[in-house]
Amino acid sequence: DIQMTQSPSSLSASVGDRVTITCRASQGISNYLAWYQQKPGTVPKLLIYAASTLQSGVPSRFSGSGSGTDFTLTISSLQPEDVATYYCQKYNSAPKTFGPGTKVDIK
Amino acid sequence: EVQLLESGGGLVQPGGSLRLSCAASGFTFSNYAMNWVRQAPGKGLEWVSGISGSGDSTYYADSVKGRLTISRDNSKNTLYLQMNSLRAEDTAVYYCAKDRSVVVLAATNYWGQGTLVTVSS
Repeated sequence: DIQMTQSPSSLSASVGDRVTITCRASQGISNYLAWYQQKPGTVPKLLIYAASTLQSGVPSRFSGSGSGTDFTLTISSLQPEDVATYYCQKYNSAPKTFGPGTKVDIK
Repeated sequence: EVQLLESGGGLVQPGGSLRLSCAASGFTFSNYAMNWVRQAPGKGLEWVSGISGSGDSTYYADSVKGRLTISRDNSKNTLYLQMNSLRAEDTAVYYCAKDRSVVVLAATNYWGQGTLVTVSS
């Protein structure tokens, strides 16, 4: 099975900072990659699918890029409401494995 | 408005069984693949199983294969997860989740609020 890794596992940044999270697949998955945000005590929310397509209603400060094995989620200007854990997920084949998550908080 | 309402969770002894249900509304149920995703207390997300819109294709994580069975009744707009031979490591909140497409190999765009399954003696 394809394994998904994320880095860093956690980060602390200031409001307004540019934040980048990396997701890596152990084998190529083309662009079959989604990013989810899970705020404390809530259910996950889809941010990006097909590696770079923004889900309707998601703020434009979120963006995704990558293809094959290496992907990034970027928050262009971190806001207090972005405090959450972010997960990548591959869906080119089953199992639709999630990455271990990256916890983002405010410095 | 898409709504997914899970039920059936609870406390069960190791080796026991449980059946989860997810009542869906606000969309044409048979047009979308559905999944079960779980989250152990304080841990990350784990995809458990998926089923196509027609129900013809099913997929499982290796950790549950042979013990958990996903199914759907499109006439009742309901998704199920039959859980047998439960283990302590199956303890988690189980989310019902809708995909963006009729096939399982798609991103997931709606999640229910989850139902807690606790496996303990």
